[in-house]
Amino acid sequence: DAKTTQPPSMDCAEGRAANLPCNHSTISGNEYVYWYRQIHSQGPQYIIHGLKNNETNEMASLIITEDRKSSTLILPHATLRDTAVYYCIAHNAGNNRKLIWGLGTSLAVNP
Amino acid sequence: GAVVSQHPSWVICKSGTSVKIECRSLDFQATTMFWYRQFPKQSLMLMATSNEGSKATYEQGVEKDKFLINHASLTLSTLTVTSAHPEDSSFYICSAMLAGGQRGKSSYEQYFGPGTRLTVT
Repeated sequence: DAKTTQPPSMDCAEGRAANLPCNHSTISGNEYVYWYRQIHSQGPQYIIHGLKNNETNEMASLIITEDRKSSTLILPHATLRDTAVYYCIAHNAGNNRKLIWGLGTSLAVNP
Repeated sequence: GAVVSQHPSWVICKSGTSVKIECRSLDFQATTMFWYRQFPKQSLMLMATSNEGSKATYEQGVEKDKFLINHASLTLSTLTVTSAHPEDSSFYICSAMLAGGQRGKSSYEQYFGPGTRLTVT
């Protein structure tokens, strides 16, 4: 799986959009971009994933650049409960189902 | 949908004893489950991949005789920490893979249990 790079920490004001970047410049054509988050002392939670098209669900939006070398996870209206560590993972689950976890971005949503 | 439970949520045991942690997929069948360990302020570290009806595949550096994994059914995998020592104290997390994804995309989404906090005294 391709390596991903994320900023170690970010802050966001409650009610504002949180935009979390991820670089995956060596991503291969059959690797998806997955986003998970982990609230303190809990198991990770799946958020969203995509291949090359932008994706949106009830939790977030995923914007993938045309060259697929980077992506942005958008939480449109961050709440205090969105405070968590967010992990971006480039992964081809068809070949290797193991997820390799980096250190992620620690997002603090402030009142 | 796609709920994974773990039991117990926390456990304290004495050094030298064994502890069993259960991981269940409650509303789907999982042919593959994963076991992770997470130390404070660190990321998840994969310990082993568990496939129903076959032996688990352990990551390098993980002692298979110390961390016994059993995946007897499509909804249950267990991790037994044998002869636990204080350095085994950690947050243990399991995940279950849902093949095909909930949205019909060709992908494999992992759903995680809430974790088990193990403290060995």
